[in-house]
Amino acid sequence: SQKIEQNSEALNIQEGKTATLTCNYTNYSPAYLQWYRQDPGRGPVFLLLIRENEKEKRKERLKVTFDTTLKQSLFHITASQPADSATYLCALAGDKIIFGKGTRLHILP
Amino acid sequence: NAGVTQTPKFQVLKTGQSMTLQCAQDMNHEYMSWYRQDPGMGLRLIHYSVGAGITDQGEVPNGYNVSRSTTEDFPLRLLSAAPSQTSVYFCASSPTGTTMNEQFFGPGTRLTVL
Repeated sequence: SQKIEQNSEALNIQEGKTATLTCNYTNYSPAYLQWYRQDPGRGPVFLLLIRENEKEKRKERLKVTFDTTLKQSLFHITASQPADSATYLCALAGDKIIFGKGTRLHILP
Repeated sequence: NAGVTQTPKFQVLKTGQSMTLQCAQDMNHEYMSWYRQDPGMGLRLIHYSVGAGITDQGEVPNGYNVSRSTTEDFPLRLLSAAPSQTSVYFCASSPTGTTMNEQFFGPGTRLTVL
């Protein structure tokens, strides 16, 4: 069956450093991969989408890579700030959308 | 635009009761979906719709019904609530009838079944 894995442990990063989150998947060939941010008690908010034929996508301090051979996406936040602290979800989009369990990111001041 | 709205925000049910979670969007989006989110389980797709009159099952459809009579509304019905349905429910919409676009999520409904 389809499986998505994100870092199950929380990630603690010092302010100003680059945070890198990982999303691995198996038994699926998504056409798109999406990243969302979720704050406690709120619904997820869309951040970035990358297509299977794209290697990299950037938006301000965010960068996403997508390696369909490794079946992996990396999500980077550069110059991280305490306000970036949240849970980040990756989602595989094909005929349906399947979400990972998310990684909690803490940016330490 | 109000975006995606969900009612109620909180609900407590007794086992065996039925209820409908409401979801509406005012963006004329074709794709709508329902998820449940449980600790350690992430977001799991319950049902989805690619347009008015069309619905399909997701990963965890048992115990839930949906209908899509209009583009705007996508209610989720719990037929006979069970404690295992205690969860936070999110409704989402997307512009086209596919998954290629970003999804817009509602604020969620926190449901407790006693």
